Amino acid sequence: DTGVSQDPRHKITKRGQNVTFRCDPISEHNRLYWYRQTLGQGPEFLTYFQNEAQLEKSRLLSDRFSAERPKGSFSTLEIQRTEQGDSAMYLCASSLRHASIDTQYFGPGTRLTVL
Amino acid sequence: GESVGLHLPTLSVQEGDNSIINCAYSNSASDYFIWYKQESGKGPQFIIDIRSNMDKRQGQRVTVLLNKTVKHLSLQIAATQPGDSAVYFCAEGLYSGYALNFGKGTSLLVTP
Repeated sequence: DTGVSQDPRHKITKRGQNVTFRCDPISEHNRLYWYRQTLGQGPEFLTYFQNEAQLEKSRLLSDRFSAERPKGSFSTLEIQRTEQGDSAMYLCASSLRHASIDTQYFGPGTRLTVL
Repeated sequence: GESVGLHLPTLSVQEGDNSIINCAYSNSASDYFIWYKQESGKGPQFIIDIRSNMDKRQGQRVTVLLNKTVKHLSLQIAATQPGDSAVYFCAEGLYSGYALNFGKGTSLLVTP
């Protein structure tokens, strides 16, 4: 399968714990995005990378959220001191920025449940 | 802030009929629009997109129509099949940008 992959698919954690999610984009895609989706809502943009540079992070939900893409390939999203309100589906997408096309393809998501 | 919304939260159609899902957007600066399909427990799947320099684009069994005058977007699915049952999202953004702004979604249910 050459699509976007995310790991883990499900994560259950206790309030106050830190969690980290991984995203592997489509090979050779230079852009990588993180979104959050709560039940019954559409995805909400959080941050994105072009290669290894994080070009937009002002829409991360709080300073407890951080993301990295150290080598311009896979990315991680970390949530520190999780709260019950962080329970959601975290989606990763990737795209190949090109003169005529920049379609975002999504992964299956990581569903986070904070108890 | 400006938002993307959908006219109908749920749509039920019979197998074989054509489906039309509508979407209204309010950001007049948006120049790129996309439809995604999301099945339960899965991530959004790209269906079709359109840029603002077009008013119609066709894919396999799907057509997207864009009316910039009234800021309206629609997705037409021909000969709807049970496998088309899912939640459909429209999203808008700037082609030169990065963030997509999604609406709440329409649930399409195809009955035999």
